[in-house]
Amino acid sequence: EAQVTQNPRYLITVTGKKLTVTCSQNMNHEYMSWYRQDPGLGLRQIYYSMNVEVTDKGDVPEGYKVSRKEKRNFPLILESPSPNQTSLYFCASSFKGYGYTFGSGTRLTVV
Amino acid sequence: KQEVTQIPAALSVPEGENLVLNCSFTDSAIYNLQWFRQDPGKGLTSLLLIQSSQREQTSGRLNASLDKSSGRSTLYIAASQPGDSATYLCAVRRNNAGNMLTFGGGTRLMVKP
Repeated sequence: EAQVTQNPRYLITVTGKKLTVTCSQNMNHEYMSWYRQDPGLGLRQIYYSMNVEVTDKGDVPEGYKVSRKEKRNFPLILESPSPNQTSLYFCASSFKGYGYTFGSGTRLTVV
Repeated sequence: KQEVTQIPAALSVPEGENLVLNCSFTDSAIYNLQWFRQDPGKGLTSLLLIQSSQREQTSGRLNASLDKSSGRSTLYIAASQPGDSATYLCAVRRNNAGNMLTFGGGTRLMVKP
């Protein structure tokens, strides 16, 4: 089944403790991206990648890092999480922008 | 900067009604527009994708139209059912925006039995 898989689905962590949210797709898509969703603010793009070793900032990149060493994986790294990064995170992939497939989401709480 | 607006923000209808959800965007230089459905606390499910050269797309009871010149798209749902209750999001990909999607705020739909 074609899908985007995120892990974990739920995560509670403490301020400053580094964490990684993994994202993997099995559709051989070039494009991958990360979004966060917050009440009243909607979905906003954090980072995106148009191919291996090619990444760029979205609208809200501060406090996040990404890497794209393999085509199928696009992890999101929070080096020093803060409470304002509490959010619902989505990973998405696309074949050159012809429609996007989203993962099921990761609900992150930073206390 | 592209801005995407969805009206209404919330809608409640009785089962069986036909309904229209609206999406407007400020920059007509788009690559494509995609409609998604999101159930509470869940991920986004793609419903319909319209390329900039297309006028409409249909899937079952859903029909999406696109008018680039006026910056509008509509999602038509025929014979609504309680299972259609969800938030509907439209997202626009601009021509020169690489991998960037801009989302509207969504329309929260409730279909009452």
